[in-house]
Amino acid sequence: RKEVEQDPGPFNVPEGATVAFNCTYSNSASQSFFWYRQDCRKEPKLLMSVYSSGNEDGRFTAQLNRASQYISLLIRDSKLSDSATYLCVVFGSSNTGKLIFGQGTTLQVKP
Amino acid sequence: DVKVTQSSRYLVKRTGEKVFLECVQDMDHENMFWYRQDPGLGLRLIYFSYDVKMKEKGDIPEGYSVSREKKERFSLILESASTNQTSMYLCASSLISGGEQYFGPGTRLTVT
Repeated sequence: RKEVEQDPGPFNVPEGATVAFNCTYSNSASQSFFWYRQDCRKEPKLLMSVYSSGNEDGRFTAQLNRASQYISLLIRDSKLSDSATYLCVVFGSSNTGKLIFGQGTTLQVKP
Repeated sequence: DVKVTQSSRYLVKRTGEKVFLECVQDMDHENMFWYRQDPGLGLRLIYFSYDVKMKEKGDIPEGYSVSREKKERFSLILESASTNQTSMYLCASSLISGGEQYFGPGTRLTVT
C-alpha cells in the first residue's frame, strides 16, 4: 500500500463548479499535512498547510480526518487558473524531515 | 520570500559523463532535498541533508551522490550519467524538520 494515495483524475469541471479531492495516508502517527499545487512543467508550490481544526484560504478549504486517515481539499467557484495538479503531502513520525508526496490529482477547469 | 535557485533549467549530457546539479537557497534553511520527478512515478527523494556536511539517503540514491559544504548550497552529482537518469530534478529546502518545503524551478536533464 502506498504511504499517500490520491485519485489521479483527471477531474474535468466547468468554471464556477465546486470540486473536492481526497487523499489517504497510511501512517497513523503522521504529524504534518500539506497541499501543494504544481503547474505543467513547473515546480510544486505550497498551497496550504492542513491543520487539525481545518483551515480556509479564500476559495480553498482543507480538512484533516485523523480517525479515517485522510485529508481533503475543497475548491469553490473554480477558475480556469485553478487547472493544475494538486499534490497531497504528509510528514511521518520520523525525525528525518522527509515529506511523503502523493502522485497528484489533476484538475482541468473548462470554460 | 524564500528563494531556491538551480544552476540550469535544461541540461543535455552524454552517457558516462559526470554531471553536477547545483542548488542554492537564500533563507538560511537547515534542510535541503533533491528529488526527481518522472511521469507516473511522482516525486521521489534521492538524498537530503539536515546540516552542513551531513547527508542521508532517500528512496532512490543509487547512481547519485551529494555534497553540502555550505549551508546554502546542496549539490547533486551523477558520477556516470546513464539514460535512465533522464528526468526532472527538483531541489527543495525547509526551515524545520517536517516543515513545508520550498522548491527550485527544476532542472530538466536529458542523457543521450
